[in-house]
Amino acid sequence: NAGVTQTPKFQVLKTGQSMTLQCAQDMNHEYMSWYRQDPGMGLRLIHYSVGAGITDQGEVPNGYNVSRSTTEDFPLRLLSAAPSQTSVYFCASSSSGAYNEQFFGPGTRLTVL
Amino acid sequence: AQSVSQHNHHVILSEAASLELGCNYSYGGTVNLFWYVQYPGQHLQLLLKYFSGDPLVKGIKGFEAEFIKSKFSFNLRKPSVQWSDTAEYFCAVNALPMYSSASKIIFGSGTRLSIRP
Repeated sequence: NAGVTQTPKFQVLKTGQSMTLQCAQDMNHEYMSWYRQDPGMGLRLIHYSVGAGITDQGEVPNGYNVSRSTTEDFPLRLLSAAPSQTSVYFCASSSSGAYNEQFFGPGTRLTVL
Repeated sequence: AQSVSQHNHHVILSEAASLELGCNYSYGGTVNLFWYVQYPGQHLQLLLKYFSGDPLVKGIKGFEAEFIKSKFSFNLRKPSVQWSDTAEYFCAVNALPMYSSASKIIFGSGTRLSIRP
């Protein structure tokens, strides 16, 4: 099993550009989530999904969209990138929802100029 | 709303010293508690978790944590640290809403642990 994979590993954007961060898992996990990691602030939940077709907002959803058309994939879309979105983004998945161990991807380091 | 506090932002210890990292959460109901570790350049992995039962839980690499419900705390401990324990440590809480099938996990801000060889 590959576990949780994320692409790209690194990305540089200009302010106002849009892009999609990809996340996929091959463990048949129902629960998937996106976090951003910033120095001194730990991990903050952006969006999460409890299954295909179901998504909900986390702590910091503004400026981000998600969709969950399949169990395997959970892409995160930045609609109009801003320098405040410079961060490291982690995708995670879990069986049995949020109350079980989260398996994390390797992260995407995004810089917005 | 649930929140998690890790008051130690950066801890520096010498090898063989004992470690205790604090974690407090705010939620009055049933919780599941986790400690994750992020080694330099790597992604997060689970150290240990508490769901129910014995409030003293043991994890990998000699780590343990004690759930004290009356203090809303879940502190991480290790009797003798090694240089390889240098990493960032995150406490996380999943509150279980009584009337919702969905729940989410909230992370603390992390504690950076540096071990002097």
